[in-house]
Amino acid sequence: QSALTQPPSASGSPGQSVTISCSGTSSDVGDYDFVSWYQQHPGKAPKLIISEVDKRPSGVPARFSASKSGNTASLTVTGLQADDEADYYCTSYAGSKQDVVFGGGTKLTVL
Amino acid sequence: QITLKESGPTLVKPTQTLTLTCTFSGFSLTTYGVGVGWIRQPPGKALEWLGVIFWHDEQRYNPSLKNRVTITKDTSKNQVVLTVYNVGPADTATYYCAHREHYKRALDFWGQGTLVTVSS
Repeated sequence: QSALTQPPSASGSPGQSVTISCSGTSSDVGDYDFVSWYQQHPGKAPKLIISEVDKRPSGVPARFSASKSGNTASLTVTGLQADDEADYYCTSYAGSKQDVVFGGGTKLTVL
Repeated sequence: QITLKESGPTLVKPTQTLTLTCTFSGFSLTTYGVGVGWIRQPPGKALEWLGVIFWHDEQRYNPSLKNRVTITKDTSKNQVVLTVYNVGPADTATYYCAHREHYKRALDFWGQGTLVTVSS
């Protein structure tokens, strides 16, 4: 069982927007502004798409945005494209004992 | 340019010890704040955090692994080694190593992963 809770699936049609939630606790998501999101296509390694709650690394399209409120973080993908179909994982810094906790992943389907 | 690559056995017998090596380039594990983490993914399942080792040799582990995992480094070879003791079928997974960026607390560069199967 993953420490952070994500919906197992999400979907949207091309051009639409979809939001994926990531629920943690006051010891991880709620306590630190170090939430990251990763995109993983089948058979590939994960790729960092968001760090520090809402910051996009160079090369990540602006269609990907994220936010945090309390113990819950969210990733929003606008203008869905076929290539956005992938698994998405959230992580949060959880302090110096464990360092990172992972979410269980969300499979995004572009209809 | 940061790159990482995992290497090691593809098949391990139950109760044996699994040792994987992450060989990296483009950064130094002697630089303040730098870390290398290990993550695994059983077939068809979610990513699981294993642990991380930092530039000053501090290690942090997923408590759920109950002391079955150790991570060490050899800075002269630019390598990080993951050891998993007393493996079982549940340890069958693709194992990834990743560069852990200090200020972002994020895993910003990943290796391609290596699939390890535990079977007799």
